[in-house]
Amino acid sequence: DTAVSQTPKYLVTQMGNDKSIKCEQNLGHDTMYWYKQDSKKFLKIMFSYNNKELIINETVPNRFSPKSPDKAHLNLHINSLELGDSAVYFCASSQALAGSYEQYFGPGTRLTVT
Amino acid sequence: QKEVEQNSGPLSVPEGAIASLNCTYSDRGSQSFFWYRQYSGKSPELIMFIYSNGDKEDGRFTAQLNKASQYVSLLIRDSQPSDSATYLCAVIPISGGYQKVTFGTGTKLQVIP
Repeated sequence: DTAVSQTPKYLVTQMGNDKSIKCEQNLGHDTMYWYKQDSKKFLKIMFSYNNKELIINETVPNRFSPKSPDKAHLNLHINSLELGDSAVYFCASSQALAGSYEQYFGPGTRLTVT
Repeated sequence: QKEVEQNSGPLSVPEGAIASLNCTYSDRGSQSFFWYRQYSGKSPELIMFIYSNGDKEDGRFTAQLNKASQYVSLLIRDSQPSDSATYLCAVIPISGGYQKVTFGTGTKLQVIP
């Protein structure tokens, strides 16, 4: 069973389009995250949710909108895609509210904007 | 100054040797420290975490934490070619809350057969 899953694995789209990435975790964790890893491999946090509540919202353009329908799911919607959005997006989860901060990552979604 | 700093490498070690990976952090109040391994094209995978000063061993891996000097290191004994990957150091700084894990840029390790 995959602990943290993401779909799609690859996403190629044109500038100006709107796209969504979905994430699900079956670990029973209370906290979920979105990270962006750029071409230089730097992993930067974008958003964090505790039990469906937004906790961290880093300096991310408001074209990015996360949604958490329940604590096992965290989706990322991106409007008006730009070339600079090309990156690998990772979803992760942890049991942070219980004091366990180790994060488990999904396989990533490679987004290419042309 | 970057919050979490690592030498980007590559660090090359012969098979069977000890690989030593280092990480320094700027927030003196940081409490939680992690090492992740990331193979090319794959997602980060947690290999060690350490919360207290001193050493923590798990198989061939030892994490070392020195809060006074603000560094955390990872030793890999009997290095294998399969250990070749990028190793990411991650820290939870005191500022920003417990969920804002800050990652270093990673050190690329190459184990030469």
